[in-house]
Amino acid sequence: ELKVEQNPLFLSMQEGKNYTIYCNYSTTSDRLYWYRQDPGKSLESLFVLLSNGAVKQEGRLMASLDTKARLSTLHITAAVHDLSATYFCAVDLLGNQFYFGTGTSLTVIP
Amino acid sequence: DGGITQSPKYLFRKEGQNVTLSCEQNLNHDAMYWYRQDPGQGLRLIYYSQIVNDFQKGDIAEGYSVSREKKESFPLTVTSAQKNPTAFYLCASRRRTGTYTDTQYFGPGTRLTVL
Repeated sequence: ELKVEQNPLFLSMQEGKNYTIYCNYSTTSDRLYWYRQDPGKSLESLFVLLSNGAVKQEGRLMASLDTKARLSTLHITAAVHDLSATYFCAVDLLGNQFYFGTGTSLTVIP
Repeated sequence: DGGITQSPKYLFRKEGQNVTLSCEQNLNHDAMYWYRQDPGQGLRLIYYSQIVNDFQKGDIAEGYSVSREKKESFPLTVTSAQKNPTAFYLCASRRRTGTYTDTQYFGPGTRLTVL
């Protein structure tokens, strides 16, 4: 069974600071997805990473994928309060189903 | 507007009662999924369907049932056999391409509470 681990599980950071969320997975896959979830809401797609070395950026968020290390990172630059949410990574195995990480709850403090 | 709708938004179930959660999409997606999310946790797959009249069990299918009679609809029934059904239920769909590269798109969710 594919296992997907994120760390940290909880992250409290000050506005303006940088930080990285890590997503490790246990089985070879070259498809990795990042989602955002606001409290009580559904999931919103952020990034789709489809090959080794893929890097995607949107605003203050940048995601990357290293398939050899089975690692994806979500880097936050100069955090702002609006980025407070829970972030999930998900790995696609064989195109059938996604395996989700445990989530990282991010709180940005003014 | 293309998207995924789920109803109801909130649902209350009595002990021993079966309830059905609705999921409809007008994105013309082939694949549909049901997930369960418990407080502070990630998503766990209940069932998924890649084509009409076919579906597969996910990791936590016990106590749940589904049907896929139409491409746009994938209802989930929570049966009385599911001992702890209180959770947030999310439906998702995905365009099924030859290389399976598309992301999943999620509905707004149904919050089920057992009384």
